[in-house]
Amino acid sequence: DTGVSQDPRHKITKRGQNVTFRCDPISEHNRLYWYRQTLGQGPEFLTYFQNEAQLEKSRLLSDRFSAERPKGSFSTLEIQRTEQGDSAMYLCASSRLAGGAEQFFGPGTRLTVL
Amino acid sequence: QKEVEQNSGPLSVPEGAIASLNCTYSDRGSQSFFWYRQYSGKSPELIMFIYSNGDKEDGRFTAQLNKASQYVSLLIRDSQPSDSATYLCAVRSGGYNKLIFGAGTRLAVHP
Repeated sequence: DTGVSQDPRHKITKRGQNVTFRCDPISEHNRLYWYRQTLGQGPEFLTYFQNEAQLEKSRLLSDRFSAERPKGSFSTLEIQRTEQGDSAMYLCASSRLAGGAEQFFGPGTRLTVL
Repeated sequence: QKEVEQNSGPLSVPEGAIASLNCTYSDRGSQSFFWYRQYSGKSPELIMFIYSNGDKEDGRFTAQLNKASQYVSLLIRDSQPSDSATYLCAVRSGGYNKLIFGAGTRLAVHP
């Protein structure tokens, strides 16, 4: 059973640039989640997909952030016009549709905005 | 008031002792409760989940849930230095699927 994978693992960018992250969930998982984690805090929910439908988006998510899951498999998270405050670990998780929907996390993408 | 609260620690216990980690939550509609372990620089790893009042045991780990008191805890028996990590409590509420996390408790197990 292959776990959740994320790419890239690290990204350093300059303020104002656009970045895109990719997440590949566990193959039989229908649900995919994006979270953001800063130092000393727990992960903070950003958005969630069930298959290809984006069903929930955090009010904290500015319009510079967009996420897609076009074929219900992998997902991308894009941040436009990055700001220093976007520096964080971006985590992807996936879960089954049924049952307790335990979420399993990928290794994360660490973003540093200079 | 934060939705999920944890003592930030550090909680320091000697090797072989029982470590007790606590978490309170504010939403009475919460249905599912999770404990994740996170090593420094790594992503969270699911170690326990509990949905019903009472205790749930898995190896050296026991999760305890008291919905009336809005309280969930994690006990780690025979603590090992390799258990030293941050433990995150997460709650899923109502019809929503997102998890709300506490800020985590740092556990240090010393030889």
